[in-house]
Amino acid sequence: AQTVTQSQPEMSVQEAETVTLSCTYDTSESDYYLFWYKQPPSRQMILVIRQEAYKQQNATENRFSVNFQKAAKSFSLKISDSQLGDAAMYFCAYRSPLNNDMRFGAGTRLTVKP
Amino acid sequence: NAGVTQTPKFQVLKTGQSMTLQCAQDMNHEYMSWYRQDPGMGLRLIHYSVGAGITDQGEVPNGYNVSRSTTEDFPLRLLSAAPSQTSVYFCASSYSPGARDTQYFGPGTRLTVL
Repeated sequence: AQTVTQSQPEMSVQEAETVTLSCTYDTSESDYYLFWYKQPPSRQMILVIRQEAYKQQNATENRFSVNFQKAAKSFSLKISDSQLGDAAMYFCAYRSPLNNDMRFGAGTRLTVKP
Repeated sequence: NAGVTQTPKFQVLKTGQSMTLQCAQDMNHEYMSWYRQDPGMGLRLIHYSVGAGITDQGEVPNGYNVSRSTTEDFPLRLLSAAPSQTSVYFCASSYSPGARDTQYFGPGTRLTVL
């Protein structure tokens, strides 16, 4: 089964600065999808960004971008110009196209300091 | 358009009691799923459904039952609640079972089993 590892339980960043959250995964599949979800204190899971494994180009969504390294099985999230509203738990997730399974990492709690 | 709704938001049960967590979506999504989120862990898939009348087990199905009689509804039943089932439960849906489609999450139900 696929596993997703987030090695940083907590991270902090100064407002307006840039922070990178790490994620690695283990899989034998060649095609799959990767996601970053944000969970603020409201508990709502909000999709931040997604990456399709067969696409070499890194996904970007406004201030959020990823560094997808398929060979290294690494999928980090970069948040630029951090804002107070970015403070939340961030989860990395892997979804297999074969068995409808979705695996999440344990999460990284991001604090944004004013 | 309400998206994915879950009821109740909070619930306290005694060991051995049964209950049903409700989940509904109004987006005509074929794929629906249930996750649980425990402290220090990411979401784990309990059961999922790829359409009305079709369900399957996820990573942690024991102690839970599901059915899908309509496209809109996907209730999760706890047959005999145990303290180990204390968790936050999320329902999610997507247009199709394929990994290409984004999953939309409900607001969650916090369940405590005494």
